[in-house]
Amino acid sequence: KAGVTQTPRYLIKTRGQQVTLSCSPISGHRSVSWYQQTPGQGLQFLFEYFSETQRNKGNFPGRFSGRQFSNSRSEMNVSTLELGDSALYLCASSHPGGNTEAFFGQGTRLTVV
Amino acid sequence: QQQVKQSPQSLIVQKGGISIINCAYENTAFDYFPWYQQFPGKGPALLIAIRPDVSEKKEGRFTISFNKSAKQFSLHIMDSQPGDSATYFCAASPGSTLGRLYFGRGTQLTVWP
Repeated sequence: KAGVTQTPRYLIKTRGQQVTLSCSPISGHRSVSWYQQTPGQGLQFLFEYFSETQRNKGNFPGRFSGRQFSNSRSEMNVSTLELGDSALYLCASSHPGGNTEAFFGQGTRLTVV
Repeated sequence: QQQVKQSPQSLIVQKGGISIINCAYENTAFDYFPWYQQFPGKGPALLIAIRPDVSEKKEGRFTISFNKSAKQFSLHIMDSQPGDSATYFCAASPGSTLGRLYFGRGTQLTVWP
């Protein structure tokens, strides 16, 4: 069974640009969550999608957005990149509902210069 | 505000020893407590999880102890091995927020051979 696939693995962008990251969940998983991981702040929740609807959102500015497609694949977008957006962006998939196992992808390492 | 507090930040253990990592929470709505293991360059991998209806769960060398009244839970790694050297994260989730995980800041474990 294939795991969570995130693309690309690495990205270098310039301040002010925008970026789109992609996540393909485990087959059969319909819930996708996104997290930002930095040395200073640790793992922070961005948002969660289920059935193409955002169910939950963390405390991030509106520059961070996402969406989910009918095949459960998800994308997140960051506009007007700032240096502080440099981080490892992780996607996790799970069956819908709380208290279920969440499986993470390897992440996309974003560097903003 | 960190909803899950984890300690210690780093831990050095000799091969064969016991590694103990502690976490505490305040939100009584939390009802699912997973532990994740993360190696450099990889996404977090689910190690073991517990729900508050049990006080202990063991899987191989890994044991979670849970104290509901104290709102604390801990991970014990018995017979620690150099291959266990990684960063460990505790997390918590309330069923009401469906799939959102609140993470501790992580513990970097080093096991010396």
